[in-house]
Amino acid sequence: AQSVAQPEDQVNVAEGNPLTVKCTYSVSGNPYLFWYVQYPNRGLQFLLKYITGDNLVKGSYGFEAEFNKSQTSFHLKKPSALVSDSALYFCAVRDNQGDYKLSFGAGTTVTVRA
Amino acid sequence: DADVTQTPRNRITKTGKRIMLECSQTKGHDRMYWYRQDPGLGLRLIYYSFDVKDINKGEISDGYSVSRQAQAKFSLSLESAIPNQTALYFCATSGGNNEQFFGPGTRLTVL
Repeated sequence: AQSVAQPEDQVNVAEGNPLTVKCTYSVSGNPYLFWYVQYPNRGLQFLLKYITGDNLVKGSYGFEAEFNKSQTSFHLKKPSALVSDSALYFCAVRDNQGDYKLSFGAGTTVTVRA
Repeated sequence: DADVTQTPRNRITKTGKRIMLECSQTKGHDRMYWYRQDPGLGLRLIYYSFDVKDINKGEISDGYSVSRQAQAKFSLSLESAIPNQTALYFCATSGGNNEQFFGPGTRLTVL
């Protein structure tokens, strides 16, 4: 079985400060990891993914994430948050066994205050 | 994402009614998925399909059925809607080892 935990329901930061959204996972075999963002009244938008290779992955809108195998984590980061980054963020995982099913975390609401 | 469209975008229905949610994609992907989103629960997989002849149950398929009419079309049906099926429903597609692409969602309310 595979699962994702996002331990924080909400993250609040001031504009210009670093933003971190935490994610830990459990999966058999090597993980494929994804981050998505959902703005109000919109569908999910892909931010970035880790499949293999460099542990630091860069994605859209200045976001990056670091894969840490020993800690089974894939935290999302942004060096300087913007008010427009306020949204709901989802971490997702699937294994590399080929059934292509994603398991999503419960989501973390990010609020960036001006 | 305009490449994945869902109709209707909003629907209010009554308990016991049959309802169909439709999804179309122009990405040429073989794999399509239906999810529901509930506050605090993230997205949960209802059904998925790897091609027209391949339909699979997800983690919460009870009370739902699907039809893959063509590579580009994947419909979700609620045969007899009940209030706890009130949720936001998303269709998604994927190809290769890549990410899934999501439609804009259908907000369903069952009274």
